Amino acid sequence: DTGVSQNPRHKITKRGQNVTFRCDPISEHNRLYWYRQTLGQGPEFLTYFQNEAQLEKSRLLSDRFSAERPKGSFSTLEIQRTEQGDSAMYLCASSLGTGGNSNQPQHFGDGTRLSIL
Amino acid sequence: AQSVAQPEDQVNVAEGNPLTVKCTYSVSGNPYLFWYVQYPNRGLQFLLKYITGDNLVKGSYGFEAEFNKSQTSFHLKKPSALVSDSALYFCAVRDSSRSSASKIIFGSGTRLSIRP
Repeated sequence: DTGVSQNPRHKITKRGQNVTFRCDPISEHNRLYWYRQTLGQGPEFLTYFQNEAQLEKSRLLSDRFSAERPKGSFSTLEIQRTEQGDSAMYLCASSLGTGGNSNQPQHFGDGTRLSIL
Repeated sequence: AQSVAQPEDQVNVAEGNPLTVKCTYSVSGNPYLFWYVQYPNRGLQFLLKYITGDNLVKGSYGFEAEFNKSQTSFHLKKPSALVSDSALYFCAVRDSSRSSASKIIFGSGTRLSIRP
């Protein structure tokens, strides 16, 4: 079963370092989403791609965060100059969508847990 | 603005008893509603959705949910709980009137604990 795959599963780094996460969506899915989840909370939307185009970004996505999906397949999320508050689970999801509206469910990966020392 | 409320942080049920996990929502247009389950150190798994049609929606693992427009609720139910149902459950909503295809708002989650 080729579900959504995220790497690495865990990342521990010192404050101030840069980190990059990768997400491989379900192959036929054209939409890809990044979320952040902190302990005891639901996922918070960060950004969304349709194919290679980044169509929406949350205000949570500060200028230290950047996401790419260069060929419309896998995506990377980079955090520069990490801070303690960046510690969270970063979830990727994908879905199949057509047109400007979509009622299709999003399929999630198992996430990357980031810990900032 | 869209919002979702899950008023119970935790729900405790004995195995074999019916369970209900509550969810209320607020959107400006018609809602698309979803339930997801999350096991420890895993991503979210889709359980069921309401888009249109019958108010009672059936999903995975014997779960169902009832859409109530007048009460703006979408409670998750199961007639007979299993210990393996113990997990974190999230309700989510998307406003169908939004032109963007992206943003789903998740509730804060309800921890379901089923005792043997």
